Amino acid sequence: SQQGEEDPQALSIQEGENATMNCSYKTSINNLQWYRQNSGRGLVHLILIRSNEREKHSGRLRVTLDTSKKSSSLLITASRAADTASYFCATDLTAGGTSYGKLTFGQGTILTVHP
Amino acid sequence: NAGVTQTPKFQVLKTGQSMTLQCAQDMNHEYMSWYRQDPGMGLRLIHYSVGAGITDQGEVPNGYNVSRSTTEDFPLRLLSAAPSQTSVYFCASSYFGVAGNTIYFGEGSWLTVV
Repeated sequence: SQQGEEDPQALSIQEGENATMNCSYKTSINNLQWYRQNSGRGLVHLILIRSNEREKHSGRLRVTLDTSKKSSSLLITASRAADTASYFCATDLTAGGTSYGKLTFGQGTILTVHP
Repeated sequence: NAGVTQTPKFQVLKTGQSMTLQCAQDMNHEYMSWYRQDPGMGLRLIHYSVGAGITDQGEVPNGYNVSRSTTEDFPLRLLSAAPSQTSVYFCASSYFGVAGNTIYFGEGSWLTVV
């Protein structure tokens, strides 16, 4: 079963606008990660947020984590056409400090940024 | 630095045939894993390995075998292909660092079973 549920399934915006994607999960996590996948390509790691963190930034990306609501959001500011891709959240359930790369993925959000 | 390399990129199999998807990484990562991606399902873990000689099952292991004889290679074997195994397969490798676990994915292998 899928641990993560993403919302919306598809998002269409204009260049320069912000894009917000949400992810909910069901069980306690070690960390939550966001990935981008361009059509026909592999996944690219964007950002990781640990369970004891509430917010992280990386360039135009901002990720929040609310463990009480079991949810996370990914905000892309000032979007560009090159941001067009599918975005996935993935949860790492491994207890303790060592992860073996066993991730549970959500179904993804398809983001389309129009020039 | 090639990262994670998967071969073949595309493959068509007949039902009942067997084949091996190859995966190699040159980053000296201990951890490697295989996922499959189906439309609308996200990625699901098939098998993973925490080092040479050690493998374990993921969420959807049935119909697949793996082995890890070297740190670099982690092949995925389809024993008797079925149409339900039509999917995109991704190999991944990872290390554990201070900042957390960054996972590197290959470009994917598109498999069609007819």
